[in-house]
Amino acid sequence: DIQMTQSPSSLSASVGDRVTITCRASQSITTYLNWYQQKPGKAPKLLIYAASTLQSGVPSRFSGGGSGTDFTLTISSLQPEDIATYYCQQSYSNLYSFAQGTMLDIK
Amino acid sequence: QVTLKESGPALVKPTQTLTLTCTVSGFSLRTTGARVSWIRQPPGKALEWLARIDWDDNKFYSTSLKTRLAISKDTSKNQVVLTMTDMDPVDTATYYCAGLSSYFDYWGQGTLVTVSS
Repeated sequence: DIQMTQSPSSLSASVGDRVTITCRASQSITTYLNWYQQKPGKAPKLLIYAASTLQSGVPSRFSGGGSGTDFTLTISSLQPEDIATYYCQQSYSNLYSFAQGTMLDIK
Repeated sequence: QVTLKESGPALVKPTQTLTLTCTVSGFSLRTTGARVSWIRQPPGKALEWLARIDWDDNKFYSTSLKTRLAISKDTSKNQVVLTMTDMDPVDTATYYCAGLSSYFDYWGQGTLVTVSS
């Protein structure tokens, strides 16, 4: 099975900061990597798929990159509404898997 | 408009079997490429993928839970059903169904299942 690991597990940043979250796969997943945002009490929301494709309706301050085993989610200018937990997920294997998540809050 | 909605019991007893239904609207499960997964999230914890069923009836299960899970679909009702046997308090979680591509672009609202005697 493919193991997914995110870092950091939690992060505090100020409004306007550039924020980067890292996701690593235990083997190459080419670009079969997706990012989700989850706010408390809500279902996750797809932000980015195929490592770098922005889902329709998602603000352009979100971007994704990477391939193989190492990936990043970047928020170019943090906004108060971005406070949430972020998860990466691989869809390379038929046995999908999520990382443990990164909790992002405002400093 | 595509929607997914989970339904099932809010409370089950230890050792019982849980049956959850995901009703999909606005999208046919017969569509080539359609995939529906079940995902769960214990309170305060991370998302865990459980199982997936595809348009062609291929089925895939989490390695750690595959002996307890069964996924099926009823295309006439556009529903996906998950059963999980031998429920334990550690299985207490919000259970989501999600799909419909190889990534989860649509999610249900989730249903909280508590396992307690």
